[in-house]
Amino acid sequence: AQRVTQPEKLLSVFKGAPVELKCNYSYSGSPELFWYVQYSRQRLQLLLRHISRESIKGFTADLNKGETSFHLKKPFAQEEDSAMYYCALSGRAGANNLFFGTGTRLTVIP
Amino acid sequence: NAGVTQTPKFRVLKTGQSMTLLCAQDMNHEYMYWYRQDPGMGLRLIHYSVGEGTTAKGEVPDGYNVSRLKKQNFLLGLESAAPSQTSVYFCASSYVQINSPLHFGNGTRLTVT
Repeated sequence: AQRVTQPEKLLSVFKGAPVELKCNYSYSGSPELFWYVQYSRQRLQLLLRHISRESIKGFTADLNKGETSFHLKKPFAQEEDSAMYYCALSGRAGANNLFFGTGTRLTVIP
Repeated sequence: NAGVTQTPKFRVLKTGQSMTLLCAQDMNHEYMYWYRQDPGMGLRLIHYSVGEGTTAKGEVPDGYNVSRLKKQNFLLGLESAAPSQTSVYFCASSYVQINSPLHFGNGTRLTVT
């Protein structure tokens, strides 16, 4: 069965400090992983996906199949990064439905 | 371009009452989904649809029914509401292409007393 674990419910960092939001997954097949973000008073939206191997708003995430992890990283946190972050896994063919982690609320302290 | 629109935004029901949540998307997406979000649980898939006239069960389908009579609409029904269905409900839609991003609505906060 698919499972996504985000061990930190809350994470606070100072502006300019590096940030890492942890995500571990459990899936027997080849996973597709995503990070979604929800800023205050906005709807949940895609931040990045591992297949794109892209950097969005300075964030990157590398899929580590050996450690079954997909941690989200940014070298220098900004105040506007404060939001709720969800790691999600897609493992089912025929639809794009996702399995979500419980989320991590990131607060960047000025 | 409204994207994904959910109505209502808030609702309070008494145990045993019924209601329907409406989701509408104007992006011509084939796939649509209903999730519920509970504290400490993340988002869990209730039902989804891969096209007009089709529906399928997700992770937590019990107590809910859905219909996709029109491509742009996906309805979530509660026939007999229970306090355990107190939650925030999110609708989403996506294109058919594998791993297309999900576009979410703003959510409906439902309280069952």
